[in-house]
Parts: sequence; structure tokens; C-alpha cells
Amino acid sequence: AQSVAQPEDQVNVAEGNPLTVKCTYSVSGNPYLFWYVQYPNRGLQFLLKYITGDNLVKGSYGFEAEFNKSQTSFHLKKPSALVSDSALYFCAGASQGGGKLIFGQGTELSVKP
Amino acid sequence: DGGITQSPKYLFRKEGQNVTLSCEQNLNHDAMYWYRQDPGQGLRLIYYSQIVNDFQKGDIAEGYSVSREKKESFPLTVTSAQKNPTAFYLCASRERGLIIGETEAFFGQGTRLTVV
Repeated sequence: AQSVAQPEDQVNVAEGNPLTVKCTYSVSGNPYLFWYVQYPNRGLQFLLKYITGDNLVKGSYGFEAEFNKSQTSFHLKKPSALVSDSALYFCAGASQGGGKLIFGQGTELSVKP
Repeated sequence: DGGITQSPKYLFRKEGQNVTLSCEQNLNHDAMYWYRQDPGQGLRLIYYSQIVNDFQKGDIAEGYSVSREKKESFPLTVTSAQKNPTAFYLCASRERGLIIGETEAFFGQGTRLTVV
């Protein structure tokens, strides 16, 4: 069965420091992987995706993610965190040719000044 | 303005009543999804549809029903059989893409359902 896991419920980072939000996946065949951000009581906003090609994917607001096939991971990163990055982050996955889009449990990112 | 519209934003239901949540998109997307969000459990897939007049159960379909009579509309009915319906419900859509699965989803603003 297809699954996506985010092992950390919460990540705390000081403003200006690098941040990492972790994601691992179990998707049959070639995986398609996505990161989304959610602000309170709102829908999700798309940040970036990995389809194929370069393992390092760049997205919106300075975020990037690294696809690692051997570790089945797709961690979200940013070199310098901002207080405004504080939000709930979701990793999602789909299989090539499959319509099902599965999400992880979410990670609450808190960036303190 | 293109996008996905969910209505209402807040919905209150008495126990034992069915209630229907609306989801409309004008993005001309083929696929549509319904998710349920509970604190600490992330987004769980209820139903999805990749084409008009066809839909598949997700991971937590029991107590829910859907229809897809039009491309732009994918309403979700929460039936009285759903034991714990209080949650935040999110609708999403995405293009089919050259290869199914490769496109990102767009989300509505959600409906918060409360059973009173």
C-alpha cells in the first residue's frame, strides 16, 4: 500500500538558521512527490514537486527539497528560516500512472525570532 | 478568477442528519479529491474521481458518498452512518497531466463541519 510519513510532529528553528522538514515515502514504481504548506483554517498551497530528473528541486518562497531514492526520502529544506515560514507542512506522494494522492501527517514548523 | 470553491465555510449538523458539502472548480481539471483533516492525523483521502461519472474510494470512505455528474462539481455527502463527522474537509483538483499523477493539486479553503 502507498504511504507517506513525516516522522516529526513539530520542528522548532531560530530565525536565520537552516530548516529541514523530513518526509519518507513508500510508493510503487516511480514516485511523484510534493510539498504543501497550510496556514490556519485555510486550504493547502503547493510549494514544489519531484517528478523526474535532478534530485534537488527548487520551489516557492526559497524552499527546496532533496529526493533520495536509496533512503526513500524527500526532505524539505530552506537555507535561512523566516518567522513567516511558521505553518503546517505536508508531504504528499503519488505513483506514476496512479490517480491517488496520499498525504503525510503534517509537521508544524515554528520559527522563533 | 480560476480556482476551487468550497461551501459553506462552516456547517453545523445534528446527529442523525445527512449533510452535503459543495466543491466546484473552474480550472477544467479532470481529477477531484475529498480529504478529511483531523489534528495530528494529517489529510486522509475519502474519495477521488479521475473522470466524470467515475469515482474511487479512498482510505476512509465509510459513512460518506460522492457523485461526479459534471466535470466542475464533486459534492460530498456525510451520512448519518459516519460515526465521528466533526472535522475540517478539504476538496482538491488537479489536471490529468501527460502522465497521470505528475501534476500538483489545487485546494479549496475547506469546510469545517461540526456535529451538535
